[in-house]
Amino acid sequence: DIQMTQSPSSLSASVGDRVTISCRASQGISDYLVWYQQKPGKVPKLLIYGAATLQSGVPSRFSGSGSGTDFTLTISSLQPEDVATYYCQNSNSDVFTFGGGTKVEIK
Amino acid sequence: QLQLQESGPGLVKPSETLSLTCTVSGGSIRSMSYYWGWIRQSPRTKGLEWIGTIYYSGSTFYNPSLKSRVTISVDTSKNHFSLNLNSVTAADTAIYYCARDWNYGSGIFDVWGQGTLVTVSS
Repeated sequence: DIQMTQSPSSLSASVGDRVTISCRASQGISDYLVWYQQKPGKVPKLLIYGAATLQSGVPSRFSGSGSGTDFTLTISSLQPEDVATYYCQNSNSDVFTFGGGTKVEIK
Repeated sequence: QLQLQESGPGLVKPSETLSLTCTVSGGSIRSMSYYWGWIRQSPRTKGLEWIGTIYYSGSTFYNPSLKSRVTISVDTSKNHFSLNLNSVTAADTAIYYCARDWNYGSGIFDVWGQGTLVTVSS
């Protein structure tokens, strides 16, 4: 199976800061990478698919990039409502695997 | 608006079978491009694990790590799909989510149920 590794596991940043979260696949997955946001006590929400395509309704401060094995989720200006855990997921094959998550908090 | 709702026992004994159903409302489970999946989340680690996916035709694919214990089935007349996981242990304690895979089983889950906590304990 393809392993997905996220870093950091948690971060604390100020409102308005630029935040980046990394996700690395154990082998190349082209752009078959999905990002989810899970707010405390809530259900995961689809943010980005195809590594860089924003799901409808997601604020434009969120963006995704990368291809192959290295991917990045960027929040251009962190807002209080962005406090959540973010997960990447491989959608390359018939076995879908998730990263361990990155918890984002406000400093 | 499409909604998914999981149902089933919240407590299962070790070695028994966990059975859950996901009822789809506000849309048809027979939609051409949609597949339907089960995903679980450990309450301890918060990690997400994909269990398996089914198409309305009955075609399935499973996580190899669970494949020997998992069966996912669909009942189009009831607009629902189901999960059976046998020989459960405490490690199977998790929040179980059903979700829609919107692009031909591509692993992009855009609509999720609220989740149901299943505890494995005697």
